[in-house]
Amino acid sequence: DAGITQSPRHKVTETGTPVTLRCHQTENHRYMYWYRQDPGHGLRLIHYSYGVKDTDKGEVSDGYSVSRSKTEDFLLTLESATSSQTSVYFCAISPDRVNRNTEAFFGQGTRLTVV
Amino acid sequence: DQQVKQNSPSLSVQEGRISILNCDYTNSMFDYFLWYKKYPAEGPTFLISISSIKDKNEDGRFTVFLNKSAKHLSLHIVPSQPGDSAVYFCAASAPGAGSYQLTFGKGTKLSVIP
Repeated sequence: DAGITQSPRHKVTETGTPVTLRCHQTENHRYMYWYRQDPGHGLRLIHYSYGVKDTDKGEVSDGYSVSRSKTEDFLLTLESATSSQTSVYFCAISPDRVNRNTEAFFGQGTRLTVV
Repeated sequence: DQQVKQNSPSLSVQEGRISILNCDYTNSMFDYFLWYKKYPAEGPTFLISISSIKDKNEDGRFTVFLNKSAKHLSLHIVPSQPGDSAVYFCAASAPGAGSYQLTFGKGTKLSVIP
């Protein structure tokens, strides 16, 4: 298994509170991603990073921000959680762009419930 | 607008038989395709991939076929085993700006019946 640790694994939070999810890797991969998985939607990209301090938006980035101050850590922040952000969040890493005959490796996921 | 479509939400197959999971895409820029397998409460794990310069890729019991003209790919599992029961996601990426991300289908839940 690729060395990816997501924390926390489960979290229940109240609407309007800020929440930060952490992804930590030990593989020294350049690229890191945050996806969310919802019934009927598969996995959708929220944000990605292509290096320290280099990040960009994905398909469903509204309401989320990210930061990457070190190669090994990629943080996802919900500034003010809403019930629509109840989901399972997956971090992924890859050594190169996923189009260059490489795959992304996924973490175990964080189940977030916003009540 | 969904660019990667897995139109069968579920599939049941007898142990030992062939499982065929299908995936269609609409974005003609996609040139790299992957299949992931996901067990409950775990992250997706990579299974097999294919580049658009090929029409077939094999890895043990798993074979992926790509038909570019039809914008269709399929995953064949032969023989199917109970441990193959999982949700299978088809994913694709495009060159250039699209090469940073994977676009996923909604998944097909495969049940292999002993």
